[in-house]
Amino acid sequence: GDSVTQMEGPVTLSEEAFLTINCTYTATGYPSLFWYVQYPGEGLQLLLKATKADDKGSNKGFEATYRKETTSFHLEKGSVQVSDSAVYFCALSGGSTLGRLYFGRGTQLTVWP
Amino acid sequence: SQTIHQWPATLVQPVGSPLSLECTVEGTSNPNLYWYRQAAGRGLQLLFYSVGIGQISSEVPQNLSASRPQDRQFILSSKKLLLSDSGFYLCACPSKSYRALNYGYTFGSGTRLTVV
Repeated sequence: GDSVTQMEGPVTLSEEAFLTINCTYTATGYPSLFWYVQYPGEGLQLLLKATKADDKGSNKGFEATYRKETTSFHLEKGSVQVSDSAVYFCALSGGSTLGRLYFGRGTQLTVWP
Repeated sequence: SQTIHQWPATLVQPVGSPLSLECTVEGTSNPNLYWYRQAAGRGLQLLFYSVGIGQISSEVPQNLSASRPQDRQFILSSKKLLLSDSGFYLCACPSKSYRALNYGYTFGSGTRLTVV
């Protein structure tokens, strides 16, 4: 079945460091891929998405490219800020009629000043 | 645009007490609705989904139940809470343009439940 494997955390970085959070997936068909972010005490917010192979999603300085050949959707940011501290979830939607989202386990990111 | 309302935001309940968490959706009709739980240090687990009034499917056997009495209302319940029911509960539905563009989900702000 469909599934997402996400890099285990926690990840701790200094401000302005480069961030990569790895995400790989298994899916039948042609899924859409998402990164969600959860700030402390809040629900999930969509950070970025890609709906087909080679698409690049981007938002708030974060980027992720849909790589069908490696079944990956790694999240990157060139220079993290303290305000980026949050839990990041990779997710896929297999396009079923139920519209289910499959989530990775989440990666806690902490950025120190 | 659609909005999901969840309440309460936080809840502390004793073991063995009942539970009722409510989720309502605005800005869409006949949505698929989902309850997720995020236990401490773990990822998101799908608990229930509903494709319409009175239609509930359970993903995992557990102490909880769900109901959908109205098109835009989704309720998570328990008759007797367990310590293991503690967690962050999120209600979600596909974004309005999902069927056309697959934009993922809209989430409520969540309910943090602590069972003591």
